[in-house]
Amino acid sequence: QVQLVQSGAEVKKPGASVKVSCKASGYTFTSYGISWVRQAPGQGLEWMGWISAYNGNTNYAQKLQGRVTMTTDTSTSTAYMELRSLRSDDTAVYYCARDVVVAAQYWFDPWGQGTLVTVSS
Amino acid sequence: IQLTQSPSSLSASVGDRVTITCRASQGISSYLAWYQQKPGKAPKLLIYAASTLQSGVPSRFSGSGSGTDFTLTISSLQPEDFATYYCQQLNSYPVTFGPGTKVDIK
Repeated sequence: QVQLVQSGAEVKKPGASVKVSCKASGYTFTSYGISWVRQAPGQGLEWMGWISAYNGNTNYAQKLQGRVTMTTDTSTSTAYMELRSLRSDDTAVYYCARDVVVAAQYWFDPWGQGTLVTVSS
Repeated sequence: IQLTQSPSSLSASVGDRVTITCRASQGISSYLAWYQQKPGKAPKLLIYAASTLQSGVPSRFSGSGSGTDFTLTISSLQPEDFATYYCQQLNSYPVTFGPGTKVDIK
């Protein structure tokens, strides 16, 4: 079955970087994009950006431009999201999700299980 | 594109009909999806293209609307439906989500 499995929880100090992985299985990795979404404690969902697993093209949320980098490794069917210069308000659960595009319609399915990133001194 | 949802929360009983509304700040055609999220879990896709039920999702869930106004309806609320529901627009970047509607037990 189609599945996205993310790396484990991280604790980082302010100013550090974090890199979260998302390993895909059950489908042809390069045929879909991957989006990243985060959710601060008790808050809603925030889209962070998208990467094409086919050619590596990216589109990042403006508020994260310059701090976020999304990459893929097609040899291992894994997507990565790196966030730099971490602040306390980056504390959140980070999700990856497969972008499905069919007949010009678009949705996210499935989602990874989430990775908690805690930023604390 | 901003999305608003109403209500922000509601209390309902098993068997109730529940309707959640999502409004977009500008027209998004039918580029809208609905997700269900339970505490500590990832969101789960319910509806895409405003009204298409995702495979495996119970038929008591339905979606409608186009342009700026959309609804998610649960025809007969079941115990497993108590959760938070989010709408999402995919008409243009940046993709945005509504603030969520929490459905809990009356």
